[in-house]
Amino acid sequence: GENVEQHPSTLSVQEGDSAVIKCTYSDSASNYFPWYKQELGKRPQLIIDIRSNVGEKKDQRIAVTLNKTAKHFSLHITETQPEDSAVYFCAAILNNAGNMLTFGGGTRLMVKP
Amino acid sequence: DTGVSQDPRHKITKRGQNVTFRCDPISEHNRLYWYRQTLGQGPEFLTYFQNEAQLEKSRLLSDRFSAERPKGSFSTLEIQRTEQGDSAMYLCASSPSGTPKGYTFGSGTRLTVV
Repeated sequence: GENVEQHPSTLSVQEGDSAVIKCTYSDSASNYFPWYKQELGKRPQLIIDIRSNVGEKKDQRIAVTLNKTAKHFSLHITETQPEDSAVYFCAAILNNAGNMLTFGGGTRLMVKP
Repeated sequence: DTGVSQDPRHKITKRGQNVTFRCDPISEHNRLYWYRQTLGQGPEFLTYFQNEAQLEKSRLLSDRFSAERPKGSFSTLEIQRTEQGDSAMYLCASSPSGTPKGYTFGSGTRLTVV
């Protein structure tokens, strides 16, 4: 089965700085990699995703990069704002596994004003 | 239909009691998933339905857990003879079939076993 490791577990940055969260996965057949943001007491919400045929995807201040050879992918948040403070989860999916996501352990991002 | 609904939001039960949770997915989504999330951890997969068929169950799911999706719409998750270790947030999610897509999660049911 798939295994997803996420680092760091906590990340503190100053407002305006960039934040990078990294994940590695074990199964080379994985082909879809979403990122979720979860605020305290709320549901995980999809913020960006990337498929295995793409190396990078950007949406305003958020970008995700994928290195299939090394089996790792990263979330990049630029010009961080206090409202970016939350727990971020990466995940990976196998194409033939019923769309089941395996999640990383999460990164608690704190953006200091 | 604006999203995935879960009921109840919170449940406190005594050890040994049975509990049942309900999930209403987005109506056009034929895939439904149950996950469990404990404090500080990522969601852990429990089980998955495509329409009314339960196609996958995690090894985490003991015999005390059962899930149904009788008409391919809403789903229920029942835990029998609850234990303190069952205390967690139980998240339901749905997605359309076909090309892998991210899930839409419900707000979850927080279970506390005392």
